[in-house]
Amino acid sequence: YVLTQSPSVSAAPGKTARITCGGNNVGTESVNWYQQKPGQAPVLVIFYDSDRPSGIPERISGSKSGDTATLTISGVEAGDEGDYYCQVWDGSLDPWVFGGGTKLTVL
Amino acid sequence: EVQLVQSEAEVKQPGESLRISCKGSGYRFASYWIGWVRQMPGRGLEWMGIIYPGDSDTRYSPPFEGQVTISADKSINTAYLQWSSLKASDSAMYYCARLDYGSGTLFGDYWGQGTLVTVSS
Repeated sequence: YVLTQSPSVSAAPGKTARITCGGNNVGTESVNWYQQKPGQAPVLVIFYDSDRPSGIPERISGSKSGDTATLTISGVEAGDEGDYYCQVWDGSLDPWVFGGGTKLTVL
Repeated sequence: EVQLVQSEAEVKQPGESLRISCKGSGYRFASYWIGWVRQMPGRGLEWMGIIYPGDSDTRYSPPFEGQVTISADKSINTAYLQWSSLKASDSAMYYCARLDYGSGTLFGDYWGQGTLVTVSS
């Protein structure tokens, strides 16, 4: 199955950026989100739809409605620039699927 | 502190074999799945396969089945990704990740630093 993300999103410093992830299984499976800054390995920022690992600021949050999951970054900072990927695991033949990624640009 | 340390960058010629590694520390290595992820230049993340070091249960993403081999040696807390005959199209960054499981999902909670593989004649 396919997870669909918008290729790019932009936001001015201090504003809110929303990155969406759509797919048939999103409504029934847990969605996880990763941040990848240029030249770095991915970092988990949200798991189980809306839980934050330790060290991830509260201004990064996750939510889900129907077949669309949303990663929200409030009070956007220059350091938030990078690519964000959603990921779902459903235990099927091709279980660990990533979205195509969304590039966040801070204006 | 949980850490995954990957082997250094490799430059190989087409047709050569290669094995890259991912060594875990700071946790019970045998009890967590390890996943391998490919990222081609300028592209997104692609799941290649996963292995459970405790019993070497291995699963491959269909595009990578038969193209690579994933293995693990729990006695030295190390997972491997290997190719028997590299192609130029295998040039990419490869990441390993520790996968945690809960609520019906697997997610990569810790990641290695990546191993850059360049295949060129």
